[in-house]
Amino acid sequence: KAGVTQTPRYLIKTRGQQVTLSCSPISGHRSVSWYQQTPGQGLQFLFEYFSETQRNKGNFPGRFSGRQFSNSRSEMNVSTLELGDSALYLCASRAGQGTSYEQYFGPGTRLTVT
Amino acid sequence: AQSVAQPEDQVNVAEGNPLTVKCTYSVSGNPYLFWYVQYPNRGLQFLLKYITGDNLVKGSYGFEAEFNKSQTSFHLKKPSALVSDSALYFCAVRDGSTGGFKTIFGAGTRLFVKA
Repeated sequence: KAGVTQTPRYLIKTRGQQVTLSCSPISGHRSVSWYQQTPGQGLQFLFEYFSETQRNKGNFPGRFSGRQFSNSRSEMNVSTLELGDSALYLCASRAGQGTSYEQYFGPGTRLTVT
Repeated sequence: AQSVAQPEDQVNVAEGNPLTVKCTYSVSGNPYLFWYVQYPNRGLQFLLKYITGDNLVKGSYGFEAEFNKSQTSFHLKKPSALVSDSALYFCAVRDGSTGGFKTIFGAGTRLFVKA
């Protein structure tokens, strides 16, 4: 099975712009979660989607949003970018049923805001 | 509040020696506990999990972890470290206070294995 893929891998944006990141989960996985990783704050949970519904949301401002499509692919959007949004954004997929609680992570999208 | 603590920023061991990476947690309800490893410029890889059952769980690459309910700990161990084990290790717990599957990660422990 192919792993979790994220596009693009690297992105440079300027303050005030918006950005959309994409994640394709492992085939058959219905749950997709997004995380922000920074040296200072570590790994922070952004949100989780399951069958196109947002089930959990972390403590991030409304500029951060996401969605999931019927094929389980997910996108996250950050509007009005700030310098502090520079981070590695990780997507993780999970089967979402039974006892398969472990998550499988993509390689991440490195976002730099200048 | 649900939380995970990894008290050591860095652990140094010599190749061939046993290693331990510490993790303590605080959750409401039954803990779902995980260890992940991150190699440079890569995403996280799942190592092992404790959901229920035997307190000693075995995972990938020869790693194991012991769940201790009384001490609320879930330390990661390996009997004989390899240089290739050098990486960033994260302990994580499912936040049982919400529906769905929100995961809280520790700050991470960097493991250096010296040849």
